Amino acid sequence: EAGVAQSPRYKIIEKRQSVAFWCNPISGHATLYWYQQILGQGPKLLIQFQNNGVVDDSQLPKDRFSAERLKGVDSTLKIQPAKLEDSAVYLCASSLVGVGETQYFGPGTRLLVL
Amino acid sequence: KNEVEQSPQNLTAQEGEFITINCSYSVGISALHWLQQHPGGGIVSLFMLSSGKKKHGRLIATINIQEKHSSLHITASHPRDSAVYICAVISSGSARQLTFGSGTQLTVLP
Repeated sequence: EAGVAQSPRYKIIEKRQSVAFWCNPISGHATLYWYQQILGQGPKLLIQFQNNGVVDDSQLPKDRFSAERLKGVDSTLKIQPAKLEDSAVYLCASSLVGVGETQYFGPGTRLLVL
Repeated sequence: KNEVEQSPQNLTAQEGEFITINCSYSVGISALHWLQQHPGGGIVSLFMLSSGKKKHGRLIATINIQEKHSSLHITASHPRDSAVYICAVISSGSARQLTFGSGTQLTVLP
């Protein structure tokens, strides 16, 4: 069974530029999560989708971050414009139904904003 | 105060030692996860538990709901166990969120 795929694996941009990350969850998983993990900290939930609807985006900085999950499968996370403090690893995870189940994580996208 | 606290933050052990990592939380939970993160970022779920104890190979996880505390034990540690171990709790109630601790960096020396 293929795992959660993410791309790119690494990205370096200058502040005020835009960047987009892509995630393909495990086939059949209804729930998809985007996390931000700053160095030395645990992951922080940015947004949770159930199929193509948003369940929780309370910690998403909506002035610069946006995410979508068209057709309830793949998802993209965008930052526009990026700030220095956005440097982090962006993790995508999926689970079969919801939060109470095992989440399967992708390898992450490491973003460096200069 | 963070909702999920882990200790220690860093732990260095010799191969073969018995290791314990602790997790304390301050909110009501429905379940707790232990996760392993290797260099490069990949995270693997080790356990999800809501009571008692679970064992998988050399790993044992326990939880005491009344004391709001969980421990992850590694028996006969090996250098390949070197990773960051993260505790995460699922809050109870209607707003079920997964809140992560900041992780414990474990280094097992040969």
